[in-house]
Amino acid sequence: QVQLKETGPGLVQPTQTLSITCTVSGFSLTSYYMQWVRQTPGKGLEWMGFIRSGGSTEYNSEFKSRLSISRDTSKNQVFLKMNSLKTEDTGVYYCASRGNYPGTPFAYWGQGTLVTVSS
Amino acid sequence: DTVLTQSPALAVSPGERVSISCRASEGVNSYMHWYQQKPGQQPKLLIYKASNLASGVPARFSGSGSGTDFTLTIDPVEADDTATYFCQQSWNDPYTFGAGTKLELK
Repeated sequence: QVQLKETGPGLVQPTQTLSITCTVSGFSLTSYYMQWVRQTPGKGLEWMGFIRSGGSTEYNSEFKSRLSISRDTSKNQVFLKMNSLKTEDTGVYYCASRGNYPGTPFAYWGQGTLVTVSS
Repeated sequence: DTVLTQSPALAVSPGERVSISCRASEGVNSYMHWYQQKPGQQPKLLIYKASNLASGVPARFSGSGSGTDFTLTIDPVEADDTATYFCQQSWNDPYTFGAGTKLELK
């Protein structure tokens, strides 16, 4: 059974760095791409980037300068780190999996973790 | 970026047929997907590559279109279909989502 679960800090101060962990089960990170998608009141759903099954990454240019996606395959975990947070980054952050073929949809999603950026 | 335009809201009665549209600002081939999101939940994949039903999704849901114009159809609508429906394209970089169509039942 495929499961994804995000764990995040809840509250982050402006200018600080956000770190979220996505723990997966039921499949291997070396067989699927893992995405990060966020949902904010201001912009709705936004694709942030992914890490390929082989470990390379691709980022939305909107976030490229401050986003990093990595993973630990031995722990079945994918990580998001984003720096220089602003209040507009408040929202729910999801990890999602997709197949290796180009253009495949986000078949499985985690429950999401709410991040509030506030002092 | 590819902008996906959806109508903001629709209201239908149970048993009726409803079509939800998504128009892309540039061509996306057939790489359009549809998701359902209920309040407090994550999006759930319904249709992939324009017209393919995702696993476990009732056959009441169907999709059509190619290029820039796509449609998600629910026939017949049931009470449990109250949700927001999003389209998403994966042809152009970056992947983008529509703003969502909120479906309400009368």
